[in-house]
Amino acid sequence: KNQVEQSPQSLIILEGKNCTLQCNYTVSPFSNLRWYKQDTGRGPVSLTIMTFSENTKSNGRYTATLDADTKQSSLHITASQLSDSASYICVVITSGAGSYQLTFGKGTKLSVIP
Amino acid sequence: DSGVTQTPKHLITATGQRVTLRCSPRSGDLSVYWYQQSLDQGLQFLIQYYNGEERAKGNILERFSAQQFPDLHSELNLSSLELGDSALYFCASSVEGGRGTGELFFGEGSRLTVL
Repeated sequence: KNQVEQSPQSLIILEGKNCTLQCNYTVSPFSNLRWYKQDTGRGPVSLTIMTFSENTKSNGRYTATLDADTKQSSLHITASQLSDSASYICVVITSGAGSYQLTFGKGTKLSVIP
Repeated sequence: DSGVTQTPKHLITATGQRVTLRCSPRSGDLSVYWYQQSLDQGLQFLIQYYNGEERAKGNILERFSAQQFPDLHSELNLSSLELGDSALYFCASSVEGGRGTGELFFGEGSRLTVL
């Protein structure tokens, strides 16, 4: 069964600090992995996509990593801002035979406090 | 603005009633997905349509049904509502229905409260 596990479930950090969110998956066959940011009460928005061959990708203060061998991904946020308070959702995509499937993690709820 | 439009934004109804949620996908997107998100829970996949045809089904209750019309808008029908159906219902769209990058564009959601 395809599964995506995220940790921690929730996290509180001080403004300006860094943090790292984890995503472990047991999804096969792997196509790519996305991180989404969901502000409270809003729809998720894609932050970054990681394909099988990519190890690291940055999008501003967000840096995602992927280790396809250990089936782990992380999202590192540097110099956190209050606006980073949100849920961060890891989504793993399998693709093949003319269709693809998305498996969502439950998300990590990040709270950045002044 | 993702380009995906959902109506209504808020809906309050009573147990046993029936409601219809509507979604207009981004221009050009052929796939529509419906997700349910209960309070402090993750997104639960309900159903996907691609160009009018059902493509995948998730944990959708028999009391729920959906369809995608020729103009590609979609409706999610929820009937015999129970208190536990109170949730945010998100619609998302994507251009591809087959091999793809999995980028979904989400609407702002319809918040359903069942009293």
